[in-house]
Amino acid sequence: GAGVSQSPSNKVTEKGKDVELRCDPISGHTALYWYRQRLGQGLEFLIYFQGNSAPDKSGLPSDRFSAERTGESVSTLTIQRTQQEDSAVYLCASILKGSDYGYTFGSGTRLTVV
Amino acid sequence: GEDVEQSLFLSVREGDSSVINCTYTDSSSTYLYWYKQEPGAGLQLLTYIFSNMDMKQDQRLTVLLNKKDKHLSLRIADTQTGDSAIYFCAETAGGYQKVTFGIGTKLQVIP
Repeated sequence: GAGVSQSPSNKVTEKGKDVELRCDPISGHTALYWYRQRLGQGLEFLIYFQGNSAPDKSGLPSDRFSAERTGESVSTLTIQRTQQEDSAVYLCASILKGSDYGYTFGSGTRLTVV
Repeated sequence: GEDVEQSLFLSVREGDSSVINCTYTDSSSTYLYWYKQEPGAGLQLLTYIFSNMDMKQDQRLTVLLNKKDKHLSLRIADTQTGDSAIYFCAETAGGYQKVTFGIGTKLQVIP
């Protein structure tokens, strides 16, 4: 596609429920990243995928968070047993192999846990 | 670990120049970026600079890099109301290393 697409754009969920966030990267972009942006905070790295290599999960805050990506396509970020502190905007970004000219970000999913 | 710091807020009058400052700690930073985030939107890459450069100019934007002091600045000439947004400084060592972002500076342009 023309840009990085994320869905849903907004999600309100009850505490304790599981949520799944989706990211459709730009076609041909080999690397995909997830970041979290809490209100009034900077971007917090969560996880990144590079082709078929093992993902870098070093930023995942707890074992309630997991992410998958099949090849160089769609990625899903799953948060189990959501807590109120999970409320944030979750941003996905992709980058073309060999490019260091910054990521292309999606518009994010605003997650609100009530 | 890596750290990127920015001031939280800047207010300027329309037509004036805006200067947003950033400091970083990672001496292996190779690429430094400025991103713009408008309300409800994702981040948009504004400009970037390689660590072997001192300055980069792109229309109304001027990026200055002082590698010795690990200081990066973004100057916006003739600031317009459409420039009101949050500006994020970011750095990476490259090679698919994660990009570390600052907290963002909210620029308010007063008409």
